[in-house]
Amino acid sequence: DMQMTQSPSSLSASVGDRVTITCRASQSISNYLNWYQQKPGQAPKILIFAASSLQSGVPSRFSGSGSGTDFTLTISSLQPEDFATYYCQQTYITPLTFGGGTKVEIK
Amino acid sequence: QVQLQESGPGLVKPSQTLSLTCTVSGGSISSGTYYWSWIRQPAGKGLEWIGRIYTTGNTNYNPSLKSRVTISIDTLKNQFSLKLSSVTAADTALYYCARDVYDFFPYTDVWGKGTTVTVSS
Repeated sequence: DMQMTQSPSSLSASVGDRVTITCRASQSISNYLNWYQQKPGQAPKILIFAASSLQSGVPSRFSGSGSGTDFTLTISSLQPEDFATYYCQQTYITPLTFGGGTKVEIK
Repeated sequence: QVQLQESGPGLVKPSQTLSLTCTVSGGSISSGTYYWSWIRQPAGKGLEWIGRIYTTGNTNYNPSLKSRVTISIDTLKNQFSLKLSSVTAADTALYYCARDVYDFFPYTDVWGKGTTVTVSS
């Protein structure tokens, strides 16, 4: 299976901070990489697909980059509603696999 | 706006079969280029992809569960279903049904709220 490794597993940040989360694939997955946000008690929500395409309705402070094996999700200015867990997912090959998640907490 | 709703028993005995149904509303399960998927999440843990089905009936399963999983689709009822046999406590989780946009770069754009399944005698 394609292994997806996210780092860090958790981070503490303040409102207004720039936050970067990384995701590494065990093999090249081209741009077949999605980012989801999950808040407690809710289903995940798509933020970024195809590594860097912003889903309609998602604030522009979210951005994604990368290709091949290394990817990044950046939140340019953290807002109170952004405290959540973020997951990367590869859709290059089945079984589709997710990273272990990054919990963004309030500092 | 398409919505998904999972339904099924919340408690399943060990060695029995877990059966869940996802009802699609607000759109036809047969329209568009979509896969219909099941994903689960043990309490406090990450997401695990179980498998998916296309409207033609074509399926893909996670090899870690493949021998126990069956996903089916009923286009007349606008539903798709999950069956997981020989369950153990390790199958206790929140189970989500979801819709995957199967464009050039696939992604999951609609999720159900999830249903908790506990495996216990």
